[in-house]
Amino acid sequence: EVQLVESGGGLVQPGGSLRLSCAASGFTFSSFWMDWVRQAPGKGLELVAIINQDGSEKYYVDSVRGRFTISRDNAKKSLYLEMSSLRAEDTALYYCARDIMWGRFDPWGQGTLVTVSS
Amino acid sequence: EIVMTQTPLSLSVTPGQPASISCKSSQSLLHSDGKTYLYWYLQKPGQSPQLLIYEVSSRFSGVPDRFSGSGSGTDFTLKISRVEAEDVGVYHCMQGLHLRTFGQGTRVEIK
Repeated sequence: EVQLVESGGGLVQPGGSLRLSCAASGFTFSSFWMDWVRQAPGKGLELVAIINQDGSEKYYVDSVRGRFTISRDNAKKSLYLEMSSLRAEDTALYYCARDIMWGRFDPWGQGTLVTVSS
Repeated sequence: EIVMTQTPLSLSVTPGQPASISCKSSQSLLHSDGKTYLYWYLQKPGQSPQLLIYEVSSRFSGVPDRFSGSGSGTDFTLKISRVEAEDVGVYHCMQGLHLRTFGQGTRVEIK
């Protein structure tokens, strides 16, 4: 079964840091682009970052560029999101998703909740 | 950034009746390869989003044929021919041409 499982979310103070992980199984992880997408409470979906198969290409939404870093370890079949200088507006459920091609996302993980609050 | 605009933002539908959601992009989603990278996702209550339609009109594996997508360039439509109770949730359109951006989402409920 193709599956993605996120972990690492939690409560963090403004200005703090957090590292999210996404463990992949059931497919050749190294063959696919991977994405992080977030959803603030009661809001819509927003792409956060995207990475290509070997990690040589990375793109970020403007609001997180310079604060967040996407990375991957193909040997461990894992995707990561390092988040620093966190703000209240970063509070959201963070999903990882396999990007089959040009935004065809399947599957999505179940999400991990990040709450930025003092 | 390509801006995606969905209408309506909410929809209440009687079971068995049709439903339609519009999605407009701020620029054409047609790629030089001839494909148009417009997607529809459904997020059922309490669940992660799931792919319904890719490249405007292709139904993803396992998606019932009551769902159909159409459109071109900047104007797109998702239609449900006969709404069922299991179709409730938020429908999101998304473009994949330049990074990825989503519409605001359309909440569908059953009357």
